[in-house]
Amino acid sequence: SYVLTQPPSVSVAPGKTARITCWGNTIGSKSVHWYQQKPGQAPVLVIYHDRGRPSGIPERFSGSNSGSTATLTISRVEAGDEADYYCQVWDSGSDHRVFGGGTKLTVL
Amino acid sequence: QVQLQQSGPGLVKPSETLSLTCTVSGGPISDHYWSWIRQPPGKGLEWIGYIYYTGSTNYNPSLKSRVTISVDTSKKQFSLKLSSVTAADAAVYYCAGEREGSSYFDYWGQGTLVTVSS
Repeated sequence: SYVLTQPPSVSVAPGKTARITCWGNTIGSKSVHWYQQKPGQAPVLVIYHDRGRPSGIPERFSGSNSGSTATLTISRVEAGDEADYYCQVWDSGSDHRVFGGGTKLTVL
Repeated sequence: QVQLQQSGPGLVKPSETLSLTCTVSGGPISDHYWSWIRQPPGKGLEWIGYIYYTGSTNYNPSLKSRVTISVDTSKKQFSLKLSSVTAADAAVYYCAGEREGSSYFDYWGQGTLVTVSS
């Protein structure tokens, strides 16, 4: 089965740029989606298809995907961005949906 | 805007069957894949499986032997049954929807915390 690996935690100072990575075998050939989850809440889609941004998501959120790494970039980080972030792909071979283990973003 | 409303008990006894239902409103149940996803306390998201509105299903191999997902299009509902539960099945369970061809979840239920205890 397809595996996605994320760092458990990332820390960043307010106003700086946070980069959260998601590793997977030839992930660059797949579409990667990213979700933000705050405590006690359901996940919210922040990036779809590698770099698409749903309505209502700030332009500070962006994504990229190449080779074996997909990256969620959050520019000008704010205290309100502190949350868990999950990457997700569709594994076409099995038709399964797969999540990464999640990354806790801490705003210092 | 599609909304998902979950219902079902938050307490299940060990060895019994967990049952949850998700009701779709504000949009069609057709042309969507409807999934169940769970999150044990303090842990990450785990995809359980999906049902297409036609009734076709696909399950996570780790749970496949115990999982059944069904759909009732007339009621715009889909349901999860997980049999022979143990403490390891305690989690927040979410229903979620993806439009056909999108491969991402843009609709989520509110989540149901399921405790396994006698």
